[in-house]
Parts: sequence; structure tokens; C-alpha cells
Amino acid sequence: NAGVTQTPKFRVLKTGQSMTLLCAQDMNHEYMYWYRQDPGMGLRLIHYSVGEGTTAKGEVPDGYNVSRLKKQNFLLGLESAAPSQTSVYFCASRPGLAGFGQFFGPGTRLTVL
Amino acid sequence: TQLLEQSPQFLSIQEGENLTVYCNSSSVFSSLQWYRQEPGEGPVLLVTVVTGGEVKKLKRLTFQFGDARKDSSLHITAAQPGDTGLYLCAGGRSEKLVFGKGTKLTVNP
Repeated sequence: NAGVTQTPKFRVLKTGQSMTLLCAQDMNHEYMYWYRQDPGMGLRLIHYSVGEGTTAKGEVPDGYNVSRLKKQNFLLGLESAAPSQTSVYFCASRPGLAGFGQFFGPGTRLTVL
Repeated sequence: TQLLEQSPQFLSIQEGENLTVYCNSSSVFSSLQWYRQEPGEGPVLLVTVVTGGEVKKLKRLTFQFGDARKDSSLHITAAQPGDTGLYLCAGGRSEKLVFGKGTKLTVNP
């Protein structure tokens, strides 16, 4: 099992460009999450999904969109990148039952110039 | 608003020493999880505690959930250089987690 994988690992964008980050999990987990991690700010939830076809906003959703068309994939889109979106992005998943921890991917380091 | 406060922010100790890191909140959580993150990698789950007063041991690591389910502590006995990393606590809120900012631990040989 690969667990949670993220594509790409690194990316540099210019202000105003768009891109999509892909998260895939092979553990048949119901719930999936997108976080960003910035120095001194900890992990902050951007969007999450509790099942195929569903999405919900987290703590810092502005400037991002997500889609969960297939249970195993969770896509994070930036329509018009801004320097404030420079960060490390982590995807995570977990089973739908309460009390389970989250399994994280290796992260995507995004720089917006 | 930071719902989970971790202390200390940074901790540098010598191999063989004991240490405790704390995770405090004024809010009640359904569960409390601890993760460890190494540079360039994603967080890895260490433990989940769900019952007030619960104590879990994982080799040299001891985790405790406060009676009121608002706080937790992580105690490491005889720390080793391999314990170096960022330790994150996270409180369960329905289907989401609220993360603390972490304690960066360095264990020197």
C-alpha cells in the first residue's frame, strides 16, 4: 500500500497562475483533508471531504477550491495564485469511524513569486 | 484564535534526559491525538486518547489525557537522538482536528 500520495512534490508559480494539487489514498478512507503549514502558524485546515462528492470549508478556504469526484482522490485548486499562498500543503485521510487518527501525505512545497 | 496551546515551543536536551511537553485548551475535545513530524515529511500519528484520565504508553513515550478532556501531556523517558522532531497535538472536533503549533524537540547525542 502506498498510503497517501501527493503530486507534485515541489512547484513554483508566478502570481496569477493556476494549478491543481492531487492527493490520492489507497486505504478506502471516507474522510480526506487539505492543510497548509506555515512557520509559526501550525497546520491549518483549508477544505475537507467526508465522502465522495462532498466537500466543506475549513479554517482558511479563501483562494482555494476542491473536488472529490472519486473516493480515493481529493484535488486542491488554486485559480489565481498569490504570494500569500506560498506554503507547504499536506493532504490527509482517515476512516469514517470516530476516534481514528489521520494519515498524512509527504507534502507539496509551493512557492508563488 | 489558537484553541490548543503547546508548551514549550522549543526544547533542546541531552540524550538520556526525560522531558514532558504539554497541550492545553479551554475547550473540551472528543479525542486528543499526538503526531510527530520530521523535516520534509508529513506528520505521523503516535497515539489517540479518547477517555478523560486515560494514560497510554508507547515504549518510552507516555501520553495522558486530562480528566476534563481539555489538556494532554507527552512524557519521554531517556530521550534518544531519534526522538528529535516536531511534536503536534490535535484535538478532535466532530470530523475535524484542531492542531497546536507544535513543540520542536532536539535531542543531542
